[in-house]
Order: sequence, then structure tokens, then C-alpha cells
Amino acid sequence: KAGVTQTPRYLIKTRGQQVTLSCSPISGHRSVSWYQQTPGQGLQFLFEYFSETQRNKGNFPGRFSGRQFSNSRSEMNVSTLELGDSALYLCASSLAGNAEAFFGQGTRLTVV
Amino acid sequence: QKEVEQDPGPLSVPEGAIVSLNCTYSNSAFQYFMWYRQYSRKGPELLMYTYSSGNKEDGRFTAQVDKSSKYISLFIRDSQPSDSATYLCALNTNAGKSTFGDGTTLTVKP
Repeated sequence: KAGVTQTPRYLIKTRGQQVTLSCSPISGHRSVSWYQQTPGQGLQFLFEYFSETQRNKGNFPGRFSGRQFSNSRSEMNVSTLELGDSALYLCASSLAGNAEAFFGQGTRLTVV
Repeated sequence: QKEVEQDPGPLSVPEGAIVSLNCTYSNSAFQYFMWYRQYSRKGPELLMYTYSSGNKEDGRFTAQVDKSSKYISLFIRDSQPSDSATYLCALNTNAGKSTFGDGTTLTVKP
């Protein structure tokens, strides 16, 4: 059974640019959650999508947005990148947004 | 005050030791309790998942939940060098959002 796939694995962007990250959940999972992980703040919740609808949102500025497609694949977009956005971005999939969530390997974003 | 506090570590133990990792929480709405293991430069891997007070065992791992004290623990028996990683507790209120502890870095020395 394939796991959660995130692409790309690594990204280097310049301040002010925008970036789109992709997450393919485990087959049959309808919930996708996104997290930001940094050494100083740990794992912080960004948002969760279920059946193409955003159900939960964390305390991040509007520059962070996402969407989910009918096949449950999800994308996350960050506009007007700042140096502080450098982090490991993780997505997790679960059957229905319950707690048994499985993470991808993450996308490591570096903003220079 | 953070909703979830995790013993910070780092923790260094000899091979074969019993390891105890702990988290406390303040939100009584948390219903689901997870432990993840994260190796360097990898995504977190789900180790244990439980929703009730008491113990749950899986091989060398035992998860313990005490809802009355708002305290959760993960015990690792017969620890191995391959157990060296960062361990994260995560709590969930039955929604698609989990709240994580800051992690405890464990090193098991041969």
C-alpha cells in the first residue's frame, strides 16, 4: 500500500516569490492536513481538508492557502515568501480526519 | 501556557534500557493520543494510537494514558540503537488537527 507522497522533496525560493507544494494521500483517505515544522516552533497545524472543503485552519497568515481536489490530492500555496517561511512542510492523511494520521516525508523549503 | 508539554530531553540511554517518554496536557477535550517517531530529515512515523485511559502494548512499545491526570507516556523496552530518533506526542479532539509536543530526542548507545 503506497504511503503519503509529497512533491517536491526540496525547494529553494527567493523572498517575494510564491510556491506550491503537492500531497497525494494514501488511497481511500479523504482527509489531508498540513503542518509546518521548524526547530524553534515544532510542528504547527496549518489547515485540514476533507472532501475538497477546508474544515480546520491554524493561526497562519492568509499568505498560506490550500485546496483539495476530487481525488483527495491536496496542494498548499505560499505567496510572497518570507525568510521565516523556511521550514519542513508536512502533510498527513487519514480516513476521515480522525487521529490515526500518516505523514509524508515532507517538502523542505528554503527561502533565500 | 502550551496545550501540550513534552519532557524536553535530550535523553541518552545504554542499549537494552527501558525508556520513558512523557507528555502532559491541559485541554480535557483531547480524545485521541498518538506517539510518532521521527528520524532526521524524515516525516513523522505513527507508532502508537489510543483513545482510552490505560495501557496499549505493541511489541517493545507501551503507550499509557491517564486522562484524570492529563498525562501520557510511551515506554520502550529493550531499547536498540535503531530507536535513536525524536519522539513526538500528539493529541487530537476528533478533528483533522493534532496538537504536538515539541519532541524528545533519544539516543540509544551500543
